[in-house]
Amino acid sequence: QQQVKQSPQSLIVQKGGISIINCAYENTAFDYFPWYQQFPGKGPALLIAIRPDVSEKKEGRFTISFNKSAKQFSLHIMDSQPGDSATYFCAASRSARQLTFGSGTQLTVLP
Amino acid sequence: DTEVTQTPKHLVMGMTNKKSLKCEQHMGHRAMYWYKQKAKKPPELMFVYSYEKLSINESVPSRFSPECPNSSLLNLHLHALQPEDSALYLCASSHYGEQYFGPGTRLTVT
Repeated sequence: QQQVKQSPQSLIVQKGGISIINCAYENTAFDYFPWYQQFPGKGPALLIAIRPDVSEKKEGRFTISFNKSAKQFSLHIMDSQPGDSATYFCAASRSARQLTFGSGTQLTVLP
Repeated sequence: DTEVTQTPKHLVMGMTNKKSLKCEQHMGHRAMYWYKQKAKKPPELMFVYSYEKLSINESVPSRFSPECPNSSLLNLHLHALQPEDSALYLCASSHYGEQYFGPGTRLTVT
């Protein structure tokens, strides 16, 4: 009930391409869905987040798409750059309580 | 400013040592967290402090002892650790559910 499933485990994209990472959740009480970007040896950085009252949120090259009925949300990185190469974690929480993380996606953007 | 600071950045300790990790935030956040992260895994919640009181302890062994001296500071006291406790230890603070992580302390237990 608390699980968040993330796919793919790893992703290789050419520079300029679109990177897409997907997450699915089970607990319909989740009301906050953030994405974190983590570089090796660093802490996760909050990238973008969405609440279930909207279906899409865009910040620069990063977009979250949210499908409440399917209990799925995804991160799209447009015009992917080598500097975007990192591990991305989706997460979910209920009523501002602790985060439940996905398993992570290692993104490599080739120059 | 969404900065959470952690010291030290790196720590090597023997199994009989006692050491402490420190975390600080000045964003006025009233919830603070300790996580443990192993390589290629998501952060694993250890403790949650809410309004300076321990609200969640995720069945963490007693060799890890958290402390919240005030609303800006969070410590993690370490004693008699095992080699399998080697990991990146992350502190985070949150405001209305938005959690901000520090850079972490890379702990190696020898």
